[in-house]
Amino acid sequence: DTGVSQNPRHKITKRGQNVTFRCDPISEHNRLYWYRQTLGQGPEFLTYFQNEAQLEKSRLLSDRFSAERPKGSFSTLEIQRTEQGDSAMYLCASSWRGELFFGEGSRLTVL
Amino acid sequence: AQKITQTQPGMFVQEKEAVTLDCTYDTSDPSYGLFWYKQPSSGEMIFLIYQGSYDQQNATEGRYSLNFQKARKSANLVISASQLGDSAMYFCAMREREEAAGNKLTFGGGTRVLVKP
Repeated sequence: DTGVSQNPRHKITKRGQNVTFRCDPISEHNRLYWYRQTLGQGPEFLTYFQNEAQLEKSRLLSDRFSAERPKGSFSTLEIQRTEQGDSAMYLCASSWRGELFFGEGSRLTVL
Repeated sequence: AQKITQTQPGMFVQEKEAVTLDCTYDTSDPSYGLFWYKQPSSGEMIFLIYQGSYDQQNATEGRYSLNFQKARKSANLVISASQLGDSAMYFCAMREREEAAGNKLTFGGGTRVLVKP
């Protein structure tokens, strides 16, 4: 499979715990994006990497959120001290120049 | 102010008929791009069609066409000959500053389409 891969697909955690999601983009894509999608809403931009550099972060990305792309390939999104409001689908996308290709998302449920 | 507005939360369409999904947008950038994505229950966002602000003709991709009315700031998606597999959420999205680095998209709230046999 040469598409965007995300794992885990589902994560249930208790409030206050830390969680980490991983995204493996399409191999030749230099740009990688994280979006968050809450139930019944469209995706909202969180952050964007070009190669290993994080070029833009949304105000939605609070201090509890950190994203990395250490070698310009896969990326991780960590949420510390999770809150119930963090429950959402976290979507990763990659691109070269054209349209974004999305993964199937990682669904987080915070109890 | 909403940058992308999709006023239809849900629609039913009869199989084999056409359906139009509305999208209006708001931007002051002269250069922008408009996208439509399909999201089935599996969660993956599937790219359908793209229209650049300077494109003279409406975009078409198979059964999908985009009715681009620049003066009205609307970019409606038309799906012809609906199929049961078209049942999904549909999102309109915009990329501003077309030539700028990055493809950050702003999405609308989506329209759920249910195709009836």
